[in-house]
Amino acid sequence: SAVISQKPSRDICQRGTSLTIQCQVDSQVTMMFWYRQQPGQSLTLIATANQGSEATYESGFVIDKFPISRPNLTFSTLTVSNMSPEDSSIYLCSVVGGAETQYFGPGTRLLVL
Amino acid sequence: GESVGLHLPTLSVQEGDNSIINCAYSNSASDYFIWYKQESGKGPQFIIDIRSNMDKRQGQRVTVLLNKTVKHLSLQIAATQPGDSAVYFCAEMEEYGNKLVFGAGTILRVKS
Repeated sequence: SAVISQKPSRDICQRGTSLTIQCQVDSQVTMMFWYRQQPGQSLTLIATANQGSEATYESGFVIDKFPISRPNLTFSTLTVSNMSPEDSSIYLCSVVGGAETQYFGPGTRLLVL
Repeated sequence: GESVGLHLPTLSVQEGDNSIINCAYSNSASDYFIWYKQESGKGPQFIIDIRSNMDKRQGQRVTVLLNKTVKHLSLQIAATQPGDSAVYFCAEMEEYGNKLVFGAGTILRVKS
């Protein structure tokens, strides 16, 4: 399986600021996704990060709030913009390689004060 | 994905016993299912998967059962160990490369 790293691993931010989270994979992958996991809850898909084009967002998530980049097949970023305490969550990237299975990164733990 | 707030169902088992974690999925068109294990402070870790054309698949100490008639998935862990303590999620996928929809999760606590 692919080795996935995320930066930062955790952060504490002030409301109104923005944070960019990086996801790096050790091999080229066909698909990359970003998920949110609110405290004590399950995972919800934010968007599919498309290489060379705009991300595909799920219902309830918009580009202005969660801009995503994917400049190549091994790297993607998610920005959480104009943060509020409700954005406090774990943000996870996942990848699909040769098979259908999705593998997840370690997550970025965000606390907004 | 579905969520149940802060009170995930909890399964407590004695070390050495077998564990069975259940999951009901929602989409009859889903054709691929995955079980993940998430330990505290970590991302979800792949355990085992199954396609809809199968009803059982075995791995090392784990077995996944799929009942498409009632849209039910289960994960069986044999000889449960303390290291198995974690939150377990099932996830369904409708087609290749499509999004995963996660179930609510179950906390497994293993008593020594």
